Amino acid sequence: DQQVKQNSPSLSVQEGRISILNCDYTNSMFDYFLWYKKYPAEGPTFLISISSIKDKNEDGRFTVFLNKSAKHLSLHIVPSQPGDSAVYFCAASLAGTYKYIFGTGTRLKVLA
Amino acid sequence: DAGITQSPRHKVTETGTPVTLRCHQTENHRYMYWYRQDPGHGLRLIHYSYGVKDTDKGEVSDGYSVSRSKTEDFLLTLESATSSQTSVYFCAISEEGTPRLYEQYFGPGTRLTVT
Repeated sequence: DQQVKQNSPSLSVQEGRISILNCDYTNSMFDYFLWYKKYPAEGPTFLISISSIKDKNEDGRFTVFLNKSAKHLSLHIVPSQPGDSAVYFCAASLAGTYKYIFGTGTRLKVLA
Repeated sequence: DAGITQSPRHKVTETGTPVTLRCHQTENHRYMYWYRQDPGHGLRLIHYSYGVKDTDKGEVSDGYSVSRSKTEDFLLTLESATSSQTSVYFCAISEEGTPRLYEQYFGPGTRLTVT
């Protein structure tokens, strides 16, 4: 039972355009959501997070949107750069625990 | 970069042998985690620790045990390795206080192959 789903295994975007990565979840007890970026042969790197009491959080080129009614979050990268090419994981924290559930990842390729 | 190291970085072992992976941090963070990454599954939590000698199970803990006798070290042991435990293992740390608790910092990973 996949509680956090990333239904697009891959995405290609032209340099300078917007990249939109999506994530759906099923558990209403998640209280915090995070995005991580992962390059090959490296550990994931924290990108940006959002609390369940908010609907938007921005950090430079990265913005995360949360739609609680739809149980959906998205990561927007504007403008996309070739260095953004990586696998992106969304993750959710279960309220009251230290447990994190990760999605299966979306491979982003930014074309120069 | 957070000071997290994992050892060994690569290991090949035979089915039925015990294996211990080590995670070492220099950040004095309270929380430590072990994940495995497999194609089609993303990252799955094996065990985590919320303090010295305080550990709990994650979603895929069967066949694994952990120990944390010092703040800086978190050990993952496969008592009797099986081929299904072939994976890339990541250690992560996080600190107290929202939102920092939610920002995990990952080590470089250990690639384990069980033949």
